Amino acid sequence: EIVLTQSPGTLSLSPGERATLSCRASQSVSSSYLAWYQQKPGQAPRLLIYGASSRATGIPDRFSGSGSGTDFTLTISRLEPEDFAVYYCQQYGSSPFITFGQGTRLEIK
Amino acid sequence: EVQLVESGGVVVQPGGSLRLSCAASGFTFDDYTMHWVRQAPGKGLEWVSLISWDGGSTYYADSVKGRFTISRDNSKNSLYLQMNSLRTEDTALYYCAKDIRVYTVSNMDVWGKGTTVTVSS
Repeated sequence: EIVLTQSPGTLSLSPGERATLSCRASQSVSSSYLAWYQQKPGQAPRLLIYGASSRATGIPDRFSGSGSGTDFTLTISRLEPEDFAVYYCQQYGSSPFITFGQGTRLEIK
Repeated sequence: EVQLVESGGVVVQPGGSLRLSCAASGFTFDDYTMHWVRQAPGKGLEWVSLISWDGGSTYYADSVKGRFTISRDNSKNSLYLQMNSLRTEDTALYYCAKDIRVYTVSNMDVWGKGTTVTVSS
């Protein structure tokens, strides 16, 4: 079973700062199937990045994804007030086929 | 506009059954794998099940295997989740989600607003 571990659990930053979120897999993950989602309170998750580095439709270019193998990163270059939310990574692979990380909460400092 | 609308969530007793539905619109439904993902109150996301574009392949999380059944009716642009032998730990907001790629499984680009299932005596 592939386990995704996200760090840090909570990240406290100010608007305008750079955010770096990590997702580490317990075994190698295909980059083609690694995604990042943003979830705000009371809302459904929103796809930000798929295939490890491709931005989804309508996602601002301050969001970028990188990584391969077992280590993946979501970077938000300059935080806007609307970026403070919970972020999840997700992979598709062997059984149990799809797993999510436990999430990173990005909060305003 | 691409849209997914879930329904069917209610309060049910432990051991009971429930059928969730998801109505899809704005895209060619029978080209895409579809998923159910749930979120317990105050917790993270948990993938529940997926079904291939033609309904020929289904997969489940270990936590629901043998109790839940996913199905789809491409003629009605609808996805379903039959939930049997419900447990208190199945209490969650259940989301329907569309895969981003045609004819395969990868990541989820469209999500519904969810429907709430509460299992309680």
